[in-house]
Amino acid sequence: GAGVSQSPSNKVTEKGKDVELRCDPISGHTALYWYRQSLGQGLEFLIYFQGNSAPDKSGLPSDRFSAERTGGSVSTLTIQRTQQEDSAVYLCASSPSGLAGGVGKTQYFGPGTRLLVL
Amino acid sequence: KNQVEQSPQSLIILEGKNCTLQCNYTVSPFSNLRWYKQDTGRGPVSLTIMTFSENTKSNGRYTATLDADTKQSSLHITASQLSDSASYICVVSAIWGKLQFGAGTQVVVTP
Repeated sequence: GAGVSQSPSNKVTEKGKDVELRCDPISGHTALYWYRQSLGQGLEFLIYFQGNSAPDKSGLPSDRFSAERTGGSVSTLTIQRTQQEDSAVYLCASSPSGLAGGVGKTQYFGPGTRLLVL
Repeated sequence: KNQVEQSPQSLIILEGKNCTLQCNYTVSPFSNLRWYKQDTGRGPVSLTIMTFSENTKSNGRYTATLDADTKQSSLHITASQLSDSASYICVVSAIWGKLQFGAGTQVVVTP
């Protein structure tokens, strides 16, 4: 079946512009994560959505970053007034709800959006 | 086909016991392999990172091995604790930076 999809796959923007990154999770998955990975760095957690609960925004690096998840499905990560240090691969992952200890919490990652801020 | 395969999908172990998680990959040309631990709803925490020339690396009770010839890695947890209950994700980077993620192994440690 269809996996997690992200768009665009690549984005080049000028410093100071706003960008929106989109994530389409696997249908029926209740949990959705955003991460980013800068060149040579590990995964950095950004935000976590679980069903209708308030999202965990503890990983967002600044107030220029925000994310929404409409209807419990598609999510959009918005970066306002982009800076060069925002250049990274932005990854989305989703997972189904599941019983503790089962496979329901396995995360399925999208291909990522490569953002380059000039 | 996923270029990073992890096994098992999940396992349940008794507190104090050891366990080993497997990661097989086909990513090429290989740059590095990382193991992450992730609690539900939290960000992943990097446990180890290994490059082509490294075949073992430890971080406390976690020991990762890498066989770049057979393209296999393992993560061994010694004397498991309840706090080890988490998802363990194997991530392989190609030289040009493209990442490939395993689906993770869900570990549950029971008293």
